[in-house]
Amino acid sequence: GENVEQHPSTLSVQEGDSAVIKCTYSDSASNYFPWYKQELGKGPQLIIDIRSNVGEKKDQRIAVTLNKTAKHFSLHITETQPEDSAVYFCAATPANTGNQFYFGTGTSLTVIP
Amino acid sequence: NAGVMQNPRHLVRRRGQEARLRCSPMKGHSHVYWYRQLPEEGLKFMVYLQKENIIDESGMPKERFSAEFPKEGPSILRIQQVVRGDSAAYFCASSPLAGSDTQYFGPGTRLTVL
Repeated sequence: GENVEQHPSTLSVQEGDSAVIKCTYSDSASNYFPWYKQELGKGPQLIIDIRSNVGEKKDQRIAVTLNKTAKHFSLHITETQPEDSAVYFCAATPANTGNQFYFGTGTSLTVIP
Repeated sequence: NAGVMQNPRHLVRRRGQEARLRCSPMKGHSHVYWYRQLPEEGLKFMVYLQKENIIDESGMPKERFSAEFPKEGPSILRIQQVVRGDSAAYFCASSPLAGSDTQYFGPGTRLTVL
């Protein structure tokens, strides 16, 4: 089955700096890659996603890049703010698994004011 | 448009009791997924259901766990004879379409087994 690895597990940045979180996947059939933000005690919230026919997608301060050849995708947060502090999860979905999501192990991001 | 609803938000059970977790998908969504999250870990897929059908239960333990999504009413994840290792956060997600489409998560049910 699919295996998603996520790095780093923890990340601290100064407010205003950029944060980058990287994920790799193993199944070349994966074609949908969402990113979720999870705040303490809450459910994961979708923040951005990318499909395999696109190399990059941006939404205000958040961007995601996808390299299908290398099987990795990354989340970029620019001009970080304290409210960006949370756990971020990447996921991958192989097209032939009935839409089951395979999640990375999460990155705990702390933005220091 | 209300989001995915889950109840209860917190559930405490003693070993050997039954736990019933409920999930109401977003309006118009007919696909439901259950995931389990152990402390400080990622989410692990358990089961994928459509109305009245289990599509994929490959992530569900073979014993004590069952799930349903009836024609009317919420989806239910049922854990019989709970053990301490069942303590976790259980999240439900819903999607309007099958295939590579996004999933919207509920707030989760945090199960504690004493």
